Amino acid sequence: RKEVEQDPGPFNVPEGATVAFNCTYSNSASQSFFWYRQDCRKEPKLLMSVYSSGNEDGSFTAQLNRASQYISLLIRDSKLSDSATYLCVVNKGSYIPTFGRGTSLIVHP
Amino acid sequence: GAGVSQTPSNKVTEKGKYVELRCDPISGHTALYWYRQSLGQGPEFLIYFQGTGAADDSGLPNDRFFAVRPEGSVSTLKIQRTERGDSAVYLCASSLTGEGAGNTEAFFGQGTRLTVV
Repeated sequence: RKEVEQDPGPFNVPEGATVAFNCTYSNSASQSFFWYRQDCRKEPKLLMSVYSSGNEDGSFTAQLNRASQYISLLIRDSKLSDSATYLCVVNKGSYIPTFGRGTSLIVHP
Repeated sequence: GAGVSQTPSNKVTEKGKYVELRCDPISGHTALYWYRQSLGQGPEFLIYFQGTGAADDSGLPNDRFFAVRPEGSVSTLKIQRTERGDSAVYLCASSLTGEGAGNTEAFFGQGTRLTVV
């Protein structure tokens, strides 16, 4: 079993739609969680950290469920510019970011 | 520099040759990571440096791969006897600190696209 698992998609949604991605992780001792965004042929960039109490950043909401070992990302009112690959990241131990394979999102007009 | 810099941006080499990939992290960042990314996959961890020392090299696929960071800043990933399966984008990332850092962001370079022909 992979350490971090994501549905690769693609998720193909119209502008304005709400879309949610889930990610599961295998190491119950993991302490730090993130979502990164990666555009085509570009490097990954931090989208947001994920906190135990859940957190929002604009139209993005991240949730962590430690008991079930999954992380979610909700995107509301999706925009064309949200089209990208979203990478779930869990820190191995406390310091090595471990990436899922990414979920591809395509937002169309 | 302002961000993580990787050189070269592209490298084409013949099977069996030796290559070196360079990473210049953000100034002051003590933690440095190397990853490899193949098409349609997420970045795969290779090695982690804390300062000059390789704190975790468990991701290196075999002994053809080696990395150094002699002065705790610039790092070089070295691949001997390259194989076609080594073709991928090699990404370097740095963060302000490593162990015990909690939610410290890792900043990535734009990567080196290695093609072994």
